Amino acid sequence: GAVVSQHPSWVICKSGTSVKIECRSLDFQATTMFWYRQFPKQSLMLMATSNEGSKATYEQGVEKDKFLINHASLTLSTLTVTSAHPEDSSFYICSALQGAGANVLTFGAGSRLTVL
Amino acid sequence: GENVEQHPSTLSVQEGDSAVIKCTYSDSASNYFPWYKQELGKGPQLIIDIRSNVGEKKDQRIAVTLNKTAKHFSLHITETQPEDSAVYFCAASTGQAGTALIFGKGTTLSVSS
Repeated sequence: GAVVSQHPSWVICKSGTSVKIECRSLDFQATTMFWYRQFPKQSLMLMATSNEGSKATYEQGVEKDKFLINHASLTLSTLTVTSAHPEDSSFYICSALQGAGANVLTFGAGSRLTVL
Repeated sequence: GENVEQHPSTLSVQEGDSAVIKCTYSDSASNYFPWYKQELGKGPQLIIDIRSNVGEKKDQRIAVTLNKTAKHFSLHITETQPEDSAVYFCAASTGQAGTALIFGKGTTLSVSS
């Protein structure tokens, strides 16, 4: 079946530094990937839609300059949290769509970011 | 935009009992309704989904029903087992290419033996 790999699974960083999270579709090409954010005991909140070869579409309230998304290939999307602060600590989860006409999402295992 | 409501937020059952989780959605254009199971510290895993041209779908102990007129859909788990304990999320989308899923707030299911 479809597999989405996310790396790193855990990351701890100092306030003010930047952190990059990678999302890879291992056995399929994903023209569209989505980035979600999840706070403890809460639901998944859509942050942005990432389309290969074009700029990401951000949801209302999500700072595009803070959460940089790059989807340079059909198998890789990256989320960079720039100048991270403690309030950015969260569980970040990516998901990928198989094929342009599909709407079945496969999720990565998530990346837990802790900003000290 | 789409809004998905999910109830209950927590559900405790005895092993062997059935569990039912209900969701409502607001966008009548939505036509794809998946259910995800999320274990602690892991990403969501798709367990079953249903499309608007179907009223019910079953996969072993898990079933989903859809009422498009009332705009609600439900997850049914029979003969629950301790390993069913997790957070369950319902979601909805219009099914258009590249459309994101909108999730409910989740239900924490606890199955005690």
